[in-house]
Amino acid sequence: GNSVTQMEGPVTLSEEAFLTINCTYTATGYPSLFWYVQYPGEGLQLLLKATKADDKGSNKGFEATYRKETTSFHLEKGSVQVSDSAVYFCALSPWGQGAQKLVFGQGTRLTINP
Amino acid sequence: DAGVTQSPTHLIKTRGQQVTLRCSPISGHKSVSWYQQVLGQGPQFIFQYYEKEERGRGNFPDRFSARQFPNYSSELNVNALLLGDSALYLCASSLGGAPLDEQFFGPGTRLTVL
Repeated sequence: GNSVTQMEGPVTLSEEAFLTINCTYTATGYPSLFWYVQYPGEGLQLLLKATKADDKGSNKGFEATYRKETTSFHLEKGSVQVSDSAVYFCALSPWGQGAQKLVFGQGTRLTINP
Repeated sequence: DAGVTQSPTHLIKTRGQQVTLRCSPISGHKSVSWYQQVLGQGPQFIFQYYEKEERGRGNFPDRFSARQFPNYSSELNVNALLLGDSALYLCASSLGGAPLDEQFFGPGTRLTVL
């Protein structure tokens, strides 16, 4: 079946530190991959996506590269800010499905200290 | 423009009762999806409706049902509530119903079953 595994949280970093949140997936075919972010008190927001192997999604200084050989989609940011504190979810959209079904990982809570 | 709205914000029910949750999509959006997010986990797909027809269904029992109205708003109904139904219920809307159309999430309805 389809599944997403994220690194265990919570993750606490200092401002301007380098961020990596690991995400690996299990899926058949060619899923599309996403990172969503949930800020405190707000709904989930799409952060970035990649729809085929070797694609790099990027937004707001965050990047993730779709690696089919390692079934991974790790989220990175070179210099985090306090405002990046949130819960981050890796997700996939199964290949060949007609529905808008997203399969989410368990989420990683990120706290950035000034 | 208003985002996705959900009502009520919070709800407390007892086991065996029935509940109806409501969702209004972004104006012009024709697809609505429902997700269940248990505390500490990622959202799980329940249903997608597009143009008032069910497009997809996740692994949830028949106690869960939904519908979409001509104005594209949607209701999620859960019958015979169990303690395990306690969760944040998220609604997401998108312009079209295709798997890669961006989904915009509402803030959710927090359901507590006692």
